[in-house]
Amino acid sequence: AQSVTQLGSHVSVSEGALVLLRCNYSSSVPPYLFWYVQYPNQGLQLLLKYTSAATLVKGINGFEAEFKKSETSFHLTKPSAHMSDAAEYFCAVRTSGYSTLTFGKGTMLLVSP
Amino acid sequence: DTGVSQDPRHKITKRGQNVTFRCDPISEHNRLYWYRQTLGQGPEFLTYFQNEAQLEKSRLLSDRFSAERPKGSFSTLEIQRTEQGDSAMYLCASSLSDSGRSSDTQYFGPGTRLTVL
Repeated sequence: AQSVTQLGSHVSVSEGALVLLRCNYSSSVPPYLFWYVQYPNQGLQLLLKYTSAATLVKGINGFEAEFKKSETSFHLTKPSAHMSDAAEYFCAVRTSGYSTLTFGKGTMLLVSP
Repeated sequence: DTGVSQDPRHKITKRGQNVTFRCDPISEHNRLYWYRQTLGQGPEFLTYFQNEAQLEKSRLLSDRFSAERPKGSFSTLEIQRTEQGDSAMYLCASSLSDSGRSSDTQYFGPGTRLTVL
């Protein structure tokens, strides 16, 4: 089975502060991991994905995530938050043998001036 | 690349009515997925197609739901006898599957928001 847990339904940061969104996965086989962002009333946009190459993955808009097998984690970070980063972020997992993505419940990122 | 498109973007219907949604995937993509997203939740898988074949259906997909992908191009999702619990955002995604690997990226459309009164 595959599953994802995102800690914190809401995260608040100030503009310019570090962004850290947490994601832990459960999988009995090596996973493929994804982060998507969703702006209000829109679909999901891929930020980055891990496919068993480099453990540190760089994505769009200055985001990056590090795959840590020992911690079963794939946390999303950005050194300096912008107001435009305010959105909902979803972590998702997919493993061989599964055709679809399993998503976490999402974390809403709030950025204050 | 025009992206994944969905129509309509919003649908309001009365309980008991039938509704149909359409999804147009990215043109060269062979896989097409339907997900449902309710408030405060991540998307949940409903069904997916490889070309015109429907290969998997979730337990969430009751008998009132049917999906088709004729000719392996666009897809339709129909809900019969809608219930208030069907109110949700219905998302479509497509991907290009290469040799069955699980790492192919799914690209999402903007979704259709269904409200059942």
